[in-house]
Amino acid sequence: EAGVVQSPRYKIIEKKQPVAFWCNPISGHNTLYWYRQNLGQGPELLIRYENEEAVDDSQLPKDRFSAERLKGVDSTLKIQPAELGDSAVYLCASSLSPGELFFGEGSRLTVL
Amino acid sequence: DQQVKQNSPSLSVQEGRISILNCDYTNSMFDYFLWYKKYPAEGPTFLISISSIKDKNEDGRFTVFLNKSAKHLSLHIVPSQPGDSAVYFCAAAELPGNDMRFGAGTRLTVKP
Repeated sequence: EAGVVQSPRYKIIEKKQPVAFWCNPISGHNTLYWYRQNLGQGPELLIRYENEEAVDDSQLPKDRFSAERLKGVDSTLKIQPAELGDSAVYLCASSLSPGELFFGEGSRLTVL
Repeated sequence: DQQVKQNSPSLSVQEGRISILNCDYTNSMFDYFLWYKKYPAEGPTFLISISSIKDKNEDGRFTVFLNKSAKHLSLHIVPSQPGDSAVYFCAAAELPGNDMRFGAGTRLTVKP
């Protein structure tokens, strides 16, 4: 069974540029999460989807971040415009049953 | 706010000995606790969990202990193996599937 797939693995952009990350969850997993992990810290939840509905986006900086999960499968996370402080690893995770999350390898963003 | 704290950024143990990783939390509403393991350039992988109705959960070489009155949990690995060398994250949530809060992680090194 394929795991959670994320792309790109690495992205380097200049500040004020837009960037997008893509996530394909494990087949059949209806819950999808986007986390951000800063260096030396644990992952922090940005948004959680149940199917195509965002049920928890309280920690998503909505002025520059947006996310969508069309058809309740793949998801994209966009940052526009990016700031220096957005440099981090963006992790996507999915789950079938509550609790056990399966994470992708992450997308490492560097903003110069 | 750091609701989940892992105060030891690193731990080094000898192969065959016990590894004890500690985690403290501040939110008394947390009822579900998990440990994740992360290798470099990979996403975190689920290791073991425990709900607040139990004080111990065991899975092979891994045992998680929960002390609700002290708001403390620990992960014991016995015996430790070099392949256990990774960053271990403690996580907690009020309910399985809800916003999961992660600690900053402890880097375990198991020396042959």
